[in-house]
Amino acid sequence: AQTVTQSQPEMSVQEAETVTLSCTYDTSESDYYLFWYKQPPSRQMILVIRQEAYKQQNATENRFSVNFQKAAKSFSLKISDSQLGDAAMYFCAYRIFLNSGYSTLTFGKGTMLLVSP
Amino acid sequence: DGGITQSPKYLFRKEGQNVTLSCEQNLNHDAMYWYRQDPGQGLRLIYYSQIVNDFQKGDIAEGYSVSREKKESFPLTVTSAQKNPTAFYLCASSTWTDSTDTQYFGPGTRLTVL
Repeated sequence: AQTVTQSQPEMSVQEAETVTLSCTYDTSESDYYLFWYKQPPSRQMILVIRQEAYKQQNATENRFSVNFQKAAKSFSLKISDSQLGDAAMYFCAYRIFLNSGYSTLTFGKGTMLLVSP
Repeated sequence: DGGITQSPKYLFRKEGQNVTLSCEQNLNHDAMYWYRQDPGQGLRLIYYSQIVNDFQKGDIAEGYSVSREKKESFPLTVTSAQKNPTAFYLCASSTWTDSTDTQYFGPGTRLTVL
């Protein structure tokens, strides 16, 4: 079974600083997708960034970037120049496509990011 | 404005009652999903549907039922067989035209059993 582990229940960062959130996963598949979602106090799940496993280049979206280490099965999220609005629960998720053509998404338990002025 | 809507935002249920949570999308997405979120937990998949009139059980389908009669709609019924239904429920959708099959989420429904 595929599992996703986020080992940091909570992280803190000051405004304008950089923080890295960790995620590891377990899989025997070679083709898959990885995602980071953000859940602010409104509880709306918002896509932050995504990475295709076959791409060696790390994905980047403005202040958000990932460090994807396929061999180590690691997918960390780096937030640069942190802002108060970045405070949220962050979930790492792993997606595989099944033989049936269907796909499924597995989530980690999340990391709460606190941002202080 | 395209998006996913869920209603109601808050729902209260007495023990022994069935309740239905609504999920509607106007994104023309093919696939729809229901997740349950408990405190300190990630999201767990209840049911998903890739096409109309077809759906598959997820990891925690017991005590839940769904239907997919229209592409835009994927209602979830929480039955009296669900022993601990108090949770936050999220609906999501995705499209096959996106090679990553990224899921987009609605705002959620908070269900409380009284």
